[in-house]
Amino acid sequence: GDSVTQMEGPVTLSEEAFLTINCTYTATGYPSLFWYVQYPGEGLQLLLKATKADDKGSNKGFEATYRKETTSFHLEKGSVQVSDSAVYFCALSVTYNNNDMRFGAGTRLTVKP
Amino acid sequence: NAGVTQTPKFQVLKTGQSMTLQCAQDMNHNSMYWYRQDPGMGLRLIYYSASEGTTDKGEVPNGYNVSRLNKREFSLRLESAAPSQTSVYFCASSEITGQGEQYFGPGTRLTVT
Repeated sequence: GDSVTQMEGPVTLSEEAFLTINCTYTATGYPSLFWYVQYPGEGLQLLLKATKADDKGSNKGFEATYRKETTSFHLEKGSVQVSDSAVYFCALSVTYNNNDMRFGAGTRLTVKP
Repeated sequence: NAGVTQTPKFQVLKTGQSMTLQCAQDMNHNSMYWYRQDPGMGLRLIYYSASEGTTDKGEVPNGYNVSRLNKREFSLRLESAAPSQTSVYFCASSEITGQGEQYFGPGTRLTVT
């Protein structure tokens, strides 16, 4: 079935460090791919998305490129801030499946000053 | 524009008690969802409603019932709570099922003792 696998956390970085959170997917159709972010005590918020191969989603300095050949959608940021501390979820959605969204287990990021 | 709202924010139940979690959205979305979030497991879909008047089971429906009261409201009921239902529950909505990008409420933290 359709699924997402993302790197286990927690991830701890110093401010201004480079961030990569790996995400790979399995899907029988042509999924749309998403990164959601969850700040402490809040619900999930969409961070960025890509709907077809080679698309790059970007927002707030974060980027991810839809790589069909490696079935990946890794999240990157060049210089993290303390305010980026949160849990990040990779997710996919396939239009043929009314169940809609499959989420990864989440990766907790802590950024220290 | 409140987005997706959920009540209550916190709840403690004893085993065997019942309760209903309420969710409402003001974005005129057709589809609504209930998820549970457990540590290390990401989000798992309990039930969803593709449109007003329809509901379908998700990945983990046992022990739950839902009602799509109207286009705005989607409630989740626990008839006889069990400790295994201790979790954080999120309601979400999207314009159309299978088109990705869901909008989440702030969550309800439920503890069953």
